[in-house]
Amino acid sequence: AQSVTQPDIHITVSEGASLELRCNYSYGATPYLFWYVQSPGQGLQLLLKYFSGDTLVQGIKGFEAEFKRSQSSFNLRKPSVHWSDAAEYFCAVGARSSTLGRLYFGRGTQLTVWP
Amino acid sequence: GAGVSQSPSNKVTEKGKDVELRCDPISGHTALYWYRQSLGQGLEFLIYFQGNSAPDKSGLPSDRFSAERTGGSVSTLTIQRTQQEDSAVYLCASSRSPQGYEQYFGPGTRLTVT
Repeated sequence: AQSVTQPDIHITVSEGASLELRCNYSYGATPYLFWYVQSPGQGLQLLLKYFSGDTLVQGIKGFEAEFKRSQSSFNLRKPSVHWSDAAEYFCAVGARSSTLGRLYFGRGTQLTVWP
Repeated sequence: GAGVSQSPSNKVTEKGKDVELRCDPISGHTALYWYRQSLGQGLEFLIYFQGNSAPDKSGLPSDRFSAERTGGSVSTLTIQRTQQEDSAVYLCASSRSPQGYEQYFGPGTRLTVT
C-alpha cells in the first residue's frame, strides 16, 4: 500500500538557521513527489515537485528537495529560515498512472521559527 | 489567472441537514479532486474527476457523500444527513491532467456540524 511518512510532527528552528524536513514514502514504483506548504487558514501551496531527471529540485521561497531512490526519501531543505516560513509542510506522492489522480499525503510537519 | 475557488468559505449546519459545497477549478484544468482535512486524520482523498466522470470514488467515506461535476468545470460535493464527524475543512484541487501535473488547491470550506 502507498504511504507517506513525515517522522517529525513539530520542528522549531531559529531564524537564519538551516532546515531539513524529512519525508519517506512507500510505493510500488517511482512516484511523482511534491512538497506543499499551508499557512493558517489557507489552502495548500506547491513548493516544489519531482517528476524525473535531476534528483535535486529547486522550488519557490528558496526551498530545495532531494530525491533519493535508494532511501525512498524526498527531504525538503532550506539553508536559512525566515520567520515567514512558519507554517505546516506536507509531503505528497502521486502515481505514474493515467487512471489514478489522487495524491497521498503525509501527516504534515509544523514548523515554528524563533526570532 | 484566477486560482481554484470554493464556496462557502465557512458553513455551520445542524446535525442531520444536507450541505452542498462548491468548487470552481482553474479554467482549462480537466482533473478535479476533493480532499478532506481534519484534526487527527490529516489530508484524506475523497474523489477524483477527469472531465465529468469520476474514475476514482474510493475515498468517499459513506453513501451520504456524493459529488458531481458538470460541463467539465464546476463541481459540487454533497453531504446528506450530516454528522458531527463530518466537521472538517473540505479542499478542492485541480490540475491540467491527472498524470504528471501538480494539483492547485483552493482555500477550502470549513464545515462545522453542531
